[in-house]
Amino acid sequence: AQTVTQSQPEMSVQEAETVTLSCTYDTSESNYYLFWYKQPPSRQMILVIRQEAYKQQNATENRFSVNFQKAAKSFSLKISDSQLGDTAMYFCAFMKGGSEKLVFGKGTKLTVNP
Amino acid sequence: SAVISQKPSRDICQRGTSLTIQCQVDSQVTMMFWYRQQPGQSLTLIATANQGSEATYESGFVIDKFPISRPNLTFSTLTVSNMSPEDSSIYLCSVLRGKTEAFFGQGTRLTVV
Repeated sequence: AQTVTQSQPEMSVQEAETVTLSCTYDTSESNYYLFWYKQPPSRQMILVIRQEAYKQQNATENRFSVNFQKAAKSFSLKISDSQLGDTAMYFCAFMKGGSEKLVFGKGTKLTVNP
Repeated sequence: SAVISQKPSRDICQRGTSLTIQCQVDSQVTMMFWYRQQPGQSLTLIATANQGSEATYESGFVIDKFPISRPNLTFSTLTVSNMSPEDSSIYLCSVLRGKTEAFFGQGTRLTVV
């Protein structure tokens, strides 16, 4: 079975600064996908970024980028130029290729301070 | 993207009663997923609902406790039966676009007293 571990229950960052959220996973699969989801206080889960395991290039979406280290099974999220609206729970998630089921980590509560 | 309407958004229920949560999607999807998010915890998949067949439940979840209906390709319901305070959670429905991109409803916050 796959597991996803987020070792930082809470983090905080000053507005406009950069923060990195950690995620490690365990799997024996070779075909899989990794995701970061954001859940603001409104509870709406929003996809932040996605990485295909077979792609060596790290995914980037505007201020959000990942550091995907496949051998180390590490998938960290970097948020640049943090904004107050980035305050949310962030969940790292894993999907085996062809499975369509997501396995989530426990989440990291990020607070962006003005 | 996908627009998912989930209701109720919240409810407070007496123990021993049941609550049915509805999930409506703006377009047809093959599978719909139901997740539970216990207080301060992550999301755990309850079951996968296919149209025209029985739902597939994950380990630790049973049909008698969480019956699911899937009458058509845009709608599903999850019932939480014979509720106890331990069932107090957020329940979310989800669909996939393009096989890997998941979209979620806004969730139902259930409190059992």
